[in-house]
Parts: sequence; C-alpha cells; structure tokens
Amino acid sequence: QQPVQSPQAVILREGEDAVINCSSSKALYSVHWYRQKHGEAPVFLMILLKGGEQKGHEKISASFNEKKQQSSLYLTASQLSYSGTYFCGTEREGSQGNLIFGKGTKLSVKP
Amino acid sequence: KAGVTQTPRYLIKTRGQQVTLSCSPISGHRSVSWYQQTPGQGLQFLFEYFSETQRNKGNFPGRFSGRQFSNSRSEMNVSTLELGDSALYLCASSQVSSTDTQYFGPGTRLTVL
Repeated sequence: QQPVQSPQAVILREGEDAVINCSSSKALYSVHWYRQKHGEAPVFLMILLKGGEQKGHEKISASFNEKKQQSSLYLTASQLSYSGTYFCGTEREGSQGNLIFGKGTKLSVKP
Repeated sequence: KAGVTQTPRYLIKTRGQQVTLSCSPISGHRSVSWYQQTPGQGLQFLFEYFSETQRNKGNFPGRFSGRQFSNSRSEMNVSTLELGDSALYLCASSQVSSTDTQYFGPGTRLTVL
C-alpha cells in the first residue's frame, strides 16, 4: 500500500523551513527519503529504521514515529539547491526489500 | 568510484516487441533493484536481485522479468510491450540490503509506440 505524502507541493523563499510528511497504514520496518531533480535520478537523503537507527546526511533531519507509522523530513534554512521532488519510500514489516514510494512532494525554493 | 550505469539511455519500441535493459551497479555492490517511474503512478518497485537470485518482487505482470549475473550486473526484460509500459526505468544498487544506501542510475527512457 502506497504511503501518503503531504503536502503535494510547497513553495518557499530561501531561508525558510519546510516539513514533508509521509504516512502509512501498515506497520513499517523502515522509511527512506530521496530527492529527485527534474531529469535526474533520485538521490538518497536518509533511512530511518524501526528502533531508532538513522543513516543519512548530516544536514538533513527526519523523524520516524513507529506508533503512528509516520515520518517527517525537516528542511531548515532552505537553499535554492533544495528544489526538487521529495519521495518517501517505505518497507513494511515482513516485506523488507520491497520499497514502496509515495507520489512525491514538489518543493520549489525561490530567491 | 564509478556510479550506477544504465544502457541504453533512450529506447523506442513498438507494441508487441520485447526489450532488454542493462544495469551495471557500483563496484562491490551486490544488490540491484529495478523501478518503473511514470507521471501517473510515480516510482514503483519491480524487483530486487542479490547474488544472482531474485530476492523481492513487486506487483508487476510476468511480462517483466530480470536476472543478475555473477559480476552483479543486471538486466531486465519486458516482453510483449504495451503502450502503458512507456516509462523511465531506474535501477539502484546497494551493498547488501535494502537498508543500505541505494544509489540510482540515470535511467532508461522507454517509449512504446
């Protein structure tokens, strides 16, 4: 079952903050976050695992609420380079390796 | 380290034909996953290969198949192409498991006429 991302799109000015949410109706093992710029391949941002382990870039922060099966990606002091579409991918408990992606959140950062 | 490479980058086929796409993972990576990306459905998982064995499979018809070779290179095949198969096909490699960082290739843009 595809996770639901919100918002679908957001427009920011440089320096502003944003939060992108990802929620699932199923018990999750992990949540993955990727950013894709137009015409390019998705680029890894972060993995959050059940139990609290995180792997990712130092400048990116995210949370994983295991009880609610929700994850949030926090983008602070946004830069023009943050523009792109952000995808969350979820692995369900018992179905590791099968990554199901949300429809994406389009983020535009304006000068 | 060289990144994930995919060939060809662009492909045009007609309905009913078959197509084979190739993916070379990052050196040392043993897991290769394939995804289909379309504007309507987004990124959808096709299958994952590890050590020449299909380890996971998404919800796609049997016309979509793949394989992995001993050097970890992978191919995916689509038989009896349909118009709806037009998409960007992405492969991603990781060291061992899905919780390792996945690195995506540039994709193969398939157009079915």
